[in-house]
Amino acid sequence: DVKVTQSSRYLVKRTGEKVFLECVQDMDHENMFWYRQDPGLGLRLIYFSYDVKMKEKGDIPEGYSVSREKKERFSLILESASTNQTSMYLCASSLTGNRNYGYTFGSGTRLTVV
Amino acid sequence: AQKITQTQPGMFVQEKEAVTLDCTYDTSDQSYGLFWYKQPSSGEMIFLIYQGSYDEQNATEGRYSLNFQKARKSANLVISASQLGDSAMYFCAMREGITGGGNKLTFGTGTQLKVEL
Repeated sequence: DVKVTQSSRYLVKRTGEKVFLECVQDMDHENMFWYRQDPGLGLRLIYFSYDVKMKEKGDIPEGYSVSREKKERFSLILESASTNQTSMYLCASSLTGNRNYGYTFGSGTRLTVV
Repeated sequence: AQKITQTQPGMFVQEKEAVTLDCTYDTSDQSYGLFWYKQPSSGEMIFLIYQGSYDEQNATEGRYSLNFQKARKSANLVISASQLGDSAMYFCAMREGITGGGNKLTFGTGTQLKVEL
C-alpha cells in the first residue's frame, strides 16, 4: 500500500526551539508539499518541492524552511518555534503528469508550541 | 481574493438523504482540476473525486458526484444516501495549469458535515 509517513503524530515543543518535522513517501513521487491546517482557514501551503534539492515558497513560508536531500524525504524546519506555529501540519506528495490522482497525504503532525 | 470558496462552515443532513456541499473557485487558467477531499476526525485526508476543466461529463464516484458548472465557476459535491460514516470535514481544492511538476493544490476552508439519525 502506497504511503506518506510523518514521523510524529503529536509533538510538544518549547518556544525558541528548532523543530524538525519529517515526511517520507515510498511512491517515487517527484512532488512533495507541506501544509498547515488551522480551524476556519483550511489548508495553507507552506513550501513545496518538485525535485531533489529544489524548493518553492508557498503562501505562508515565513518562519519555516525545508530540506529535500533525497527524493523520498521532505523535511519542514521551524527555525525558532513560536506559539503561533501551533497547528496541524500535513505532508503530501504527488506524481507529475498524473492528471486526476491528486495528492497522497500523511496522517498529520499536531504540533503544540508552549 | 479567495481562489476557493466554501461558504458553508457546517451542514447537517439526515441519514439516507442527499446533501450538496458548495464550492466556487476563481482562476484565469483554461486548464485546471478540481478535487474534493474528506477528513474524518482521525485527521487523514481522503481523496474523493476529481473533475478536469475540459471534462464534459460531471465526475461520479459511487455515492459522490461533482456538479460542475464551468460558467458559474462552481464545483459542488453531492453525496447521495448519506451515512453516519460520512460525518467529516470536506475540502474543495483546485490545481491550476497542466500537470507539470510541482503543481500545487489550493484548498478552501472546509465544510463540517454531520449526518444525523
